[in-house]
Amino acid sequence: QVQLHESGPGLVKPSETLSLTCIVSGGSISGYYWNWIRQPAGKGLEWIGRIYGTGSTKYNPSLKSRVTMSEDTSKNQFSLKLTSVTAADTAVYYCARGMEDGYNSSFEYWGQGAPVSVSS
Amino acid sequence: DIQMTQSPSSLSASVGDRVTITCQASQDINSYLNWYQQKPGKAPKLLIYDASSLKRGVPSRFSGSGSGTDFTLTISSLQPEDIATFYCQQYSNLPYTFGQGTKLEIK
Repeated sequence: QVQLHESGPGLVKPSETLSLTCIVSGGSISGYYWNWIRQPAGKGLEWIGRIYGTGSTKYNPSLKSRVTMSEDTSKNQFSLKLTSVTAADTAVYYCARGMEDGYNSSFEYWGQGAPVSVSS
Repeated sequence: DIQMTQSPSSLSASVGDRVTITCQASQDINSYLNWYQQKPGKAPKLLIYDASSLKRGVPSRFSGSGSGTDFTLTISSLQPEDIATFYCQQYSNLPYTFGQGTKLEIK
């Protein structure tokens, strides 16, 4: 059974960089699209972007200038960096993977969520 | 971006009721629509994909329908454990976008 687990600082200062890692167990990260999704407290879900392999990324245009995603196949994990954060970036951040059989964008596997607060 | 609009935003129903939640896309998304259930403090759980395909292991009282711009999630007989917030999500175009959510409560 594939399991995802986010890790990273729970508190980031304004203007600094938010960094999160998603560790995948129970399966290889190779050959799948890996996504980041966030949810401010009491609000809806926002897709941040996805990575497939080491060179293929797609980001939400609303965040594109500040987002970088990367993969580390040797550690079976992938990462998110979001620069120049503000209070508006305070949210629970989820990593997620789609289903098998081509339904890459139907998110079956989710991490437990990493709450990140942006505050000085 | 494709805007997804859910209605109602909140809903109160009794155990055993038939419950319907709608989702409207701002443009034609064919059948590229998912439905999720999210309980407080938990990650969303995929219920329906491809607008009407029930994910394995999800109770059959959940069903989805629609194509183009108008979609529906139906719970045929509401159970106490169904209380949650439900979200639709389109995957026709990037960026993927979600509806604002429908909070379902027991009357």
